[in-house]
Amino acid sequence: DGGITQSPKYLFRKEGQNVTLSCEQNLNHDAMYWYRQDPGQGLRLIYYSQIVNDFQKGDIAEGYSVSREKKESFPLTVTSAQKNPTAFYLCASSTGQENSPLHFGNGTRLTVT
Amino acid sequence: AQSVSQHNHHVILSEAASLELGCNYSYGGTVNLFWYVQYPGQHLQLLLKYFSGDPLVKGIKGFEAEFIKSKFSFNLRKPSVQWSDTAEYFCAASWYSSASKIIFGSGTRLSIRP
Repeated sequence: DGGITQSPKYLFRKEGQNVTLSCEQNLNHDAMYWYRQDPGQGLRLIYYSQIVNDFQKGDIAEGYSVSREKKESFPLTVTSAQKNPTAFYLCASSTGQENSPLHFGNGTRLTVT
Repeated sequence: AQSVSQHNHHVILSEAASLELGCNYSYGGTVNLFWYVQYPGQHLQLLLKYFSGDPLVKGIKGFEAEFIKSKFSFNLRKPSVQWSDTAEYFCAASWYSSASKIIFGSGTRLSIRP
């Protein structure tokens, strides 16, 4: 069954620690995305990658980092520089074609205390 | 900067009422437009999309949307809503100049009274 797997579903960290969220897809999609979902703010784009070994900043990239060493994987690191890291994080992928829709994972809820 | 605006944050309707949710996008040349839905406890899924051709687009579950270029709008409509349409609805866009960059609006929460 093809899809996007995000793990873990819930993640708890202490302030000042970096944390990495996993995203894996077996859809053979070229493009992958990270969004952050906060109540009343919709989905805000953190980073996206159109191809392996390449990625671009989205609208709220500060305090985050990504890598795209493999087509299937696009991990997101939330660094200690991110001022408000507690949020719901969504990973998505698409074929990368101009009008292709996004396929979403089930999300990771990160709580930093 | 490119943006998508949804001005209705929470809409409450009775069953069988007609629905129209607003979506406006910023100018940036040729645009691709999408509506996604997130049912309670489920992941986001595509309702419909527009990229060219007929400006009236039909999607799943009886939804449709109309692309009005002069108004930079892509409003979502349904003639008669059901309780099962209770969900959050997101409009999204990508522009030809950066087609892989997909921007979402802030979402509209739809509550249907049975």
